[in-house]
Amino acid sequence: DVKVTQSSRYLVKRTGEKVFLECVQDMDHENMFWYRQDPGLGLRLIYFSYDVKMKEKGDIPEGYSVSREKKERFSLILESASTNQTSMYLCASSFDRSYEQYFGPGTRLTVT
Amino acid sequence: GQSLEQPSEVTAVEGAIVQINCTYQTSGFYGLSWYQQHDGGAPTFLSYNALDGLEETGRFSSFLSRSDSYGYLLLQELQMKDSASYFCAVRGGDSNYQLIWGAGTKLIIKP
Repeated sequence: DVKVTQSSRYLVKRTGEKVFLECVQDMDHENMFWYRQDPGLGLRLIYFSYDVKMKEKGDIPEGYSVSREKKERFSLILESASTNQTSMYLCASSFDRSYEQYFGPGTRLTVT
Repeated sequence: GQSLEQPSEVTAVEGAIVQINCTYQTSGFYGLSWYQQHDGGAPTFLSYNALDGLEETGRFSSFLSRSDSYGYLLLQELQMKDSASYFCAVRGGDSNYQLIWGAGTKLIIKP
């Protein structure tokens, strides 16, 4: 079974803090993705990576950065957290250009 | 721009059949996927259509018409555990690495 794990299920941070969200997959997938999910808006892509050290901006990259130093690990960084970044963050991975993405359980981040 | 339209909510009765529609407008198209997400859970893959027609997987079927930029997910013999949100997603747009997601349809099943 493919397993995608995320470092925290729930996280509370203060405005201005630097926040790290980590994602690890165990299936040797090339592609990894970070989404945020807000009610009524579906999943919006923040960043994705198709190879180690490679990254591409998604639809809403502002205020975020990513790091992929190893194939199995993809980190999302909020440089200076703001209240409008309160959301559910979902990590996913996929093999090559696959339409089938495997998701982690999500991190519900609250910024106060 | 890229957009996918699906109803925000659908209600059906246990044991019945329900269809969730999805229309899309994207600059490129490779295929249409469907995902299920239970409250508090992660999205899980259900089906994928790259070609026109109906694909059946147990109680779930998915249909695609590329000429109409339209697809649907058909759920038969509804069970209470099918209560969830269902998302359509297009592999296309400017990059075939990405999926472009609809806003999701919340399926409410009544006994």
